[in-house]
Amino acid sequence: GAVVSQHPSWVICKSGTSVKIECRSLDFQATTMFWYRQFPKQSLMLMATSNEGSKATYEQGVEKDKFLINHASLTLSTLTVTSAHPEDSSFYICSARMSGRGNQPQHFGDGTRLSIL
Amino acid sequence: QKEVEQDPGPLSVPEGAIVSLNCTYSNSAFQYFMWYRQYSRKGPELLMYTYSSGNKEDGRFTAQVDKSSKYISLFIRDSQPSDSATYLCAIKNQAGTALIFGKGTTLSVSS
Repeated sequence: GAVVSQHPSWVICKSGTSVKIECRSLDFQATTMFWYRQFPKQSLMLMATSNEGSKATYEQGVEKDKFLINHASLTLSTLTVTSAHPEDSSFYICSARMSGRGNQPQHFGDGTRLSIL
Repeated sequence: QKEVEQDPGPLSVPEGAIVSLNCTYSNSAFQYFMWYRQYSRKGPELLMYTYSSGNKEDGRFTAQVDKSSKYISLFIRDSQPSDSATYLCAIKNQAGTALIFGKGTTLSVSS
C-alpha cells in the first residue's frame, strides 16, 4: 500500500521549454502532497507544499511563477517548470500523505530527473 | 546549529555486520521520527516511523529514539549488499506538515 507514482522518470529538453511532472497517489487519497528538489549527494530540499483545492505554499527562495503547482484532485498534483534553464536541471521528487491523518508519514515517488540542455 | 545533523559517511561494512546509523536534532518539539532508504536515482522509501522514545523493530531493522538526548538511531542486523544505499533520517513536529531531513548517510555493504 501507499504507492506514489511519478511521471516522467526522466526528461531531457531544450532551454526555454516548460516541463510538467505528475505525481499520483495510486492507492490512497492525499490531501497534501509535497515537492522536493535534490542535487547530487545532497539531501532533499522542500520546494512547496501542495494542498488539494488550494494554492500551494512555497518555501523561501522558491519562485512560484517558475515552479507552478496544481493539486486539482486528491490523487494528483503536478509541478510545471516554466521556461526551464540549465540551472533547473535536478532530481525532482514528490511525496504524498494520506488524507485525514495529519501525522502519518510521507510516501515518495521515484523522482524525475530533469536535464535542460 | 542545524535542526538535524547526520554524518554523511560514507560507511563501508562487510556483509553480515551490524550497522548503526545516527542523527541528532536540536528542537525538543520534534515528535515524529522516520528513516528512509534511498537507492541511487530513486525516491526515498519509508523504512521506519516512530513517535515515542524506545525501540521499534521490523525484521532486521531497529529504530531507536532517545528524546532526552535528542538522538535517533537505525540499526541494521545481518547487513546485506542489497542494503547498500543512502539512509535519511527525517523528523517532524506535532503541528507542522513538513519533514526535516538529515543529509543522509551512504552505506556500502560488501560481499
